[in-house]
Amino acid sequence: AQSVTQLGSHVSVSEGALVLLRCNYSSSVPPYLFWYVQYPNQGLQLLLKYTSAATLVKGINGFEAEFKKSETSFHLTKPSAHMSDAAEYFCAVTQWNFGSGTKLNVKP
Amino acid sequence: DAGVTQSPTHLIKTRGQQVTLRCSPISGHKSVSWYQQVLGQGPQFIFQYYEKEERGRGNFPDRFSARQFPNYSSELNVNALLLGDSALYLCASSLGEGRKAFFGQGTRLTVV
Repeated sequence: AQSVTQLGSHVSVSEGALVLLRCNYSSSVPPYLFWYVQYPNQGLQLLLKYTSAATLVKGINGFEAEFKKSETSFHLTKPSAHMSDAAEYFCAVTQWNFGSGTKLNVKP
Repeated sequence: DAGVTQSPTHLIKTRGQQVTLRCSPISGHKSVSWYQQVLGQGPQFIFQYYEKEERGRGNFPDRFSARQFPNYSSELNVNALLLGDSALYLCASSLGEGRKAFFGQGTRLTVV
């Protein structure tokens, strides 16, 4: 079975600070891993996708994620938070198994 | 290019009624997936269709059914609605499994 666990349902950072959203996965086979962002009352938008080509994956809007097999992790980071990053972020393994989400709040 | 379109955007139904939600994928996409997102939770996978055949089914009761048409559009049907069916229903299309999925803005279903 494949699943993901997102640690922290709410994360709050100051504008300009590092963003770190945590995701751990469980998979018996090499996984496809995804990060999505959801703004209020909207669908999901793909930020980035891991497909085993490279362990560090760069996505849109300055986000990146690093695949660490030894830690079964795929944490999402952004060096400097912007107010427009405030949204809910979902980690997923395959297209079918989503985490419960992390709401990111960015303080001015 | 048009993205994934879902209709209606909002609807309100009464317990016990039936509802049909519609999804038009991006042109050229043959895979459509449906998800239920209850407020405060992540999307839960309901169905995937590829080339008009069901390729995956999540842990939902038989009250939920879907189909994909020759033009690759899709419908999700839910019978005997329960209050717990109130959610945002998302449709996503892609070229196939493992490929980038594009989501519609969803249909907000409220069951009263």
